[in-house]
Amino acid sequence: DVKVTQSSRYLVKRTGEKVFLECVQDMDHENMFWYRQDPGLGLRLIYFSYDVKMKEKGDIPEGYSVSREKKERFSLILESASTNQTSMYLCASSSLSGLEQYFGPGTRLTVT
Amino acid sequence: GEDVEQSLFLSVREGDSSVINCTYTDSSSTYLYWYKQEPGAGLQLLTYIFSNMDMKQDQRLTVLLNKKDKHLSLRIADTQTGDSAIYFCAESRDSSASKIIFGSGTRLSIRP
Repeated sequence: DVKVTQSSRYLVKRTGEKVFLECVQDMDHENMFWYRQDPGLGLRLIYFSYDVKMKEKGDIPEGYSVSREKKERFSLILESASTNQTSMYLCASSSLSGLEQYFGPGTRLTVT
Repeated sequence: GEDVEQSLFLSVREGDSSVINCTYTDSSSTYLYWYKQEPGAGLQLLTYIFSNMDMKQDQRLTVLLNKKDKHLSLRIADTQTGDSAIYFCAESRDSSASKIIFGSGTRLSIRP
């Protein structure tokens, strides 16, 4: 059974804090993704990684960075959290030739 | 540019058919998808259609594609309470899941 797990379901942080969101997949997938989901806006791609140590900016990378040191793990970093980063964050993975992205359950982040 | 549009809400009586509509702008889309997000969960692929097909049926689900009008629809027959979810239309221009553009999602609610 394919699995994408995210380190936290709910997270509350203060403005200015450094925040780490972790994602792990057990399918040996090459591609991993971070999205944020906001009502009425759907999913917007933050960053994408197609290999270890490789990353590409998505549509809304400002205020975020990522790290992929191992194939199975993709981290999203908010260097200095701001209230406008309050959102649901979804991680996904896919194989190089696969048709489907597999999603984790999401982390609901609140920045106060 | 790339854009996938769908209405935000749909309310249907239990037992009726639900039809969720989507329009997209990229005529070079290769695959078109419907993902389902149940409350508190990540997205899960429901079905997909290749761009050279007009229709795909899978049990209670029927996907219709009008490539000329760039219109995609998902019909759920005999809608049940378990169908309550957000449904995302999405498109991909290549033959993999490396870059998928998601719509804003349609929240389907079921009336008794």
